[in-house]
Amino acid sequence: DAGITQSPRYKITETGRQVTLMCHQTWSHSYMFWYRQDLGHGLRLIYYSAAADITDKGEVPDGYVVSRSKTENFPLTLESATRSQTSVYFCASSESLGQGKDGYTFGSGTRLTVV
Amino acid sequence: DQQVKQNSPSLSVQEGRISILNCDYTNSMFDYFLWYKKYPAEGPTFLISISSIKDKNEDGRFTVFLNKSAKHLSLHIVPSQPGDSAVYFCAVAGNTGGFKTIFGAGTRLFVKA
Repeated sequence: DAGITQSPRYKITETGRQVTLMCHQTWSHSYMFWYRQDLGHGLRLIYYSAAADITDKGEVPDGYVVSRSKTENFPLTLESATRSQTSVYFCASSESLGQGKDGYTFGSGTRLTVV
Repeated sequence: DQQVKQNSPSLSVQEGRISILNCDYTNSMFDYFLWYKKYPAEGPTFLISISSIKDKNEDGRFTVFLNKSAKHLSLHIVPSQPGDSAVYFCAVAGNTGGFKTIFGAGTRLFVKA
């Protein structure tokens, strides 16, 4: 089915472990984004990508790594998970970056708990 | 320092009445202003947007108002329905200075039947 899918939906991991969250979109949108949602902070941008092999930091990039070898995939890796990274993570895609007049399309999210 | 503020964490409204959600922003260089709606266990979905050159945009029951001099954005839902109960995020976007889309903290709307 067309759309944007995230996996896994739920993940529990231990402090210090590496964990990768997956994001796949079928529209061939140029731009992809990773946001985290935390109470009182709304959605904060972690990383974004303008095209394959082009990525850039957002507001809260520390502790995260991204890659984009293919247009449709944009995985997010926590190199050494910390409790402060417990959050709900949303992937999004769009044809535009800052313009955003048509909005972003979001996945259903991954709830990550670091214990 | 938050660039987008939604000062009301929650709002409760009776079915059939008007819901008004408010948002303030700090930077006058934004080009577009958007509202997203989010149900539990789902991702946000784009609801409505307005360009900085307009002061009103309407889509069915949803109207967004922009007051650039006050740096204030509002979403009106008329009439409110129980299915409108969700978290609403205000967002601002622009190409100037490398801005992407910046979200507010959200307002949870409860529409009582």
